[in-house]
Amino acid sequence: QVQLMESGPELVKPSETLSLTCSVSGDSVSSDKYYWSWIRQPPGKGLEWIGYIYDSGTTRYKSSFKSRASISVDMSKNQFSLTLTSVTAADTAVYYCARDRGYEFYIDSWGPGMLVTVSS
Amino acid sequence: DIQMTQSPSSLAASIGDRVTITCRASQGISTYLNWFQQKPPKAPKLLISVASTLQSGVPSRFSGSGSGTDFTLTINNLQPEDFAIYYCQQSYSIPRTFGQGTKVEVK
Repeated sequence: QVQLMESGPELVKPSETLSLTCSVSGDSVSSDKYYWSWIRQPPGKGLEWIGYIYDSGTTRYKSSFKSRASISVDMSKNQFSLTLTSVTAADTAVYYCARDRGYEFYIDSWGPGMLVTVSS
Repeated sequence: DIQMTQSPSSLAASIGDRVTITCRASQGISTYLNWFQQKPPKAPKLLISVASTLQSGVPSRFSGSGSGTDFTLTINNLQPEDFAIYYCQQSYSIPRTFGQGTKVEVK
């Protein structure tokens, strides 16, 4: 059974870069069956899809993030990562990594989530 | 982007009730519609995929239906553990988009 776990700084200063890593166990990030995703949820609000990576390097992003977000994969560590540049308080959220079953069209596994606060 | 609109935003119900939540897409999405349950502060949990496929381990009192633009999540015989927030999500196109959520509360 796959398990995902987010890690990274819990506090980021405005204008700086948010960097999060998702460690995957029980599956391989090099698998061509899955799309490795990032989703966020501001406190008390709904879910927002950020993007995903698949085929070991192909990425897709929500257009509002395209200039700031980057998702990459490290197959040697079985991890994938999110960087978000020039953050503001509006980027304060719980960030989830998740496994999307690609051509089956649904997300079947989520990490527990990690609250990242943007504040000076 | 495809907009997903859920109704109602919240509802109050009693144990044993039948609950219906609707989700409308701003354009046709075939049956590429998933339902998640979230009990904050936990991560969402997949209940139903591609409009009507119940996930393994999910009680049969949950069911989903619909195609095109209009979808429904039904919970029969509401149980205490069902009080939560429910989200629909379309997987027809990028970006994946979620409804705003429906909070099911105790009446």
